[in-house]
Amino acid sequence: EAGVAQSPRYKIIEKRQSVAFWCNPISGHATLYWYQQILGQGPKLLIQFQNNGVVDDSQLPKDRFSAERLKGVDSTLKIQPAKLEDSAVYLCASSLVPGYNEQFFGPGTRLTVL
Amino acid sequence: QKEVEQNSGPLSVPEGAIASLNCTYSDRGSQSFFWYRQYSGKSPELIMFIYSNGDKEDGRFTAQLNKASQYVSLLIRDSQPSDSATYLCAVEDSGAGSYQLTFGKGTKLSVIP
Repeated sequence: EAGVAQSPRYKIIEKRQSVAFWCNPISGHATLYWYQQILGQGPKLLIQFQNNGVVDDSQLPKDRFSAERLKGVDSTLKIQPAKLEDSAVYLCASSLVPGYNEQFFGPGTRLTVL
Repeated sequence: QKEVEQNSGPLSVPEGAIASLNCTYSDRGSQSFFWYRQYSGKSPELIMFIYSNGDKEDGRFTAQLNKASQYVSLLIRDSQPSDSATYLCAVEDSGAGSYQLTFGKGTKLSVIP
């Protein structure tokens, strides 16, 4: 069974630039999560999708971050414009259904904002 | 705001010893608890989950839950150098049907050969 795929694996940008991350969850997984993990911290949930609808985006900085999950499969997370404090690993995870909370994580995208 | 607290460590134990990792949480209504392991530069992977008070054993791992004390722990018996990683405690919030996880900062474990 293929795992959660993410790209790119690494990205270096300058502040005020924009960046986008892509995630492909495990086939059949209805729930998709985007997390931000700052060095030395645990993952922090940014947004949760159930199929192609948003379940919770209360911790997403909506003035600069946006996310979508078209057709209930792939998802993209965008930052525009980026700030220095956005430097982190962005993790995508999926689970079969909500409440069955073995979340499977992708390899992550390490973002460095200079 | 829901909080999950862990000692950041590092926790160093000799090979073959028992490693004890602890976690406290703030939301008394929390029902489900998870332990994830994260190797350096890698993504988290689930080790165990526990829903009921008491102990749950899986191989060398034992999760312990005390809801009255809002405390959950993970014991690793016969620790191996390959167990060296950061261990993340996560607490599930089932409010509004969202089933979200709140993670602690993690405890870094180092098993010394």
